Amino acid sequence: NAGVMQNPRHLVRRRGQEARLRCSPMKGHSHVYWYRQLPEEGLKFMVYLQKENIIDESGMPKERFSAEFPKEGPSILRIQQVVRGDSAAYFCASSPVDSNQPQHFGDGTRLSIL
Amino acid sequence: GESVGLHLPTLSVQEGDNSIINCAYSNSASDYFIWYKQESGKGPQFIIDIRSNMDKRQGQRVTVLLNKTVKHLSLQIAATQPGDSAVYFCAENMGGGFKTIFGAGTRLFVKA
Repeated sequence: NAGVMQNPRHLVRRRGQEARLRCSPMKGHSHVYWYRQLPEEGLKFMVYLQKENIIDESGMPKERFSAEFPKEGPSILRIQQVVRGDSAAYFCASSPVDSNQPQHFGDGTRLSIL
Repeated sequence: GESVGLHLPTLSVQEGDNSIINCAYSNSASDYFIWYKQESGKGPQFIIDIRSNMDKRQGQRVTVLLNKTVKHLSLQIAATQPGDSAVYFCAENMGGGFKTIFGAGTRLFVKA
């Protein structure tokens, strides 16, 4: 999926460590979304951000998870004190200003917790 | 609300046949719908979209049908090819907002 860049593609952490997932949106896109996907399941919405603002974080756990989209640089999804249940694929998507435009996805970060 | 799929439904078709993948969406206020294709190890890829003021939209080998009365969406793929094998997700966008809700997905197997 050209355009939306996520890194790392794979991330291994031990329980209790921190995980940082990065996402650079497509050029010209000002909206970023994070989703979580378990094997054989659909994508679950976590958070929607614009530059320097969190617009909707209704899908994100209240503890240990945070997200930001600074004025400069990529969007970051941060998971503190990771647990085994955090193992999943995390996808980032971006879209332009118009709400009726499809989101474009990166190829995700596969997070594995040992 | 959010869709949660525990086991993906599967559709198996013969190469060259037409495929129809169905989806029930959840919110009558949704006004924009999208179909995505997800191949193994990759992110969802946009296929086709439709707005609520339309019943049908055609692309290259794909057609999306929208029935607002029963809140049903379908994706038709003509002359299905092995490269069409993937998981297909429908998604709805609620009432002019940006939050998009994904369906549980359907796995399409194409037999050569």
